[in-house]
Amino acid sequence: QVQLQESGPGLVKPSETLSLTCAVSGYSISSGYYWGWIRQPPGKGLEWIGSTYHSRSTYYNPSLKSRVTISVDTSNNQFSLKLSSVTAADTAVYYCARHGGGGSYGAIDYWGQGTLVTVSS
Amino acid sequence: EIVLTQSPGTLSLSPGERATLSCRASQSISSSYLAWYQQKPGQAPRLFIYAASIRATGIPDRFSGSGSGTDFTLTISRLEPEDFAVYYCQQYGSSPLTFGGGTKVEIK
Repeated sequence: QVQLQESGPGLVKPSETLSLTCAVSGYSISSGYYWGWIRQPPGKGLEWIGSTYHSRSTYYNPSLKSRVTISVDTSNNQFSLKLSSVTAADTAVYYCARHGGGGSYGAIDYWGQGTLVTVSS
Repeated sequence: EIVLTQSPGTLSLSPGERATLSCRASQSISSSYLAWYQQKPGQAPRLFIYAASIRATGIPDRFSGSGSGTDFTLTISRLEPEDFAVYYCQQYGSSPLTFGGGTKVEIK
């Protein structure tokens, strides 16, 4: 059974960098599939942030691309998100997820439980 | 970027009734790479339908997806109490991956 678990600070100050890690169990992230991040502001809809594939390729939402970095740590079977220069608009529940089945970039078949990150001084 | 518009925003129905949710894309979605997710309060979304019409593992057959091109539909044939939730469509045929704004199915 594939499981994903987000971790990181729940509070980040404006202008600083948000950093989250997703630990994966039950599947080796270097074996395939896309591994990505999605966020959801309180009471709002879902926004794809970006994904990595085979630990080599990364794809980012153009709306966030200038501020986002997704990296992979295959030795610990985890991947990370860094979002720089955050503002209150970046306050959201951040989910890590797996996608890739069913063709193209694939539907998201496994999600982490999500972690709320609040941007506030 | 493909924009997905879901309608209605809220659907008020009673258990046992049929629910029809719509997802319209701003441009054609290649090979029907469209998924539907259910989300309940405080939970992560859960994959229900992918490739427009294929039910994910464990999803009951009262849920069905249809459509192609720019118009897609999720139908719940007879609503059960556990079906009242928010449903999102998502396209995964092109980057950036995008989601619709969601349809809330609430108890009337």
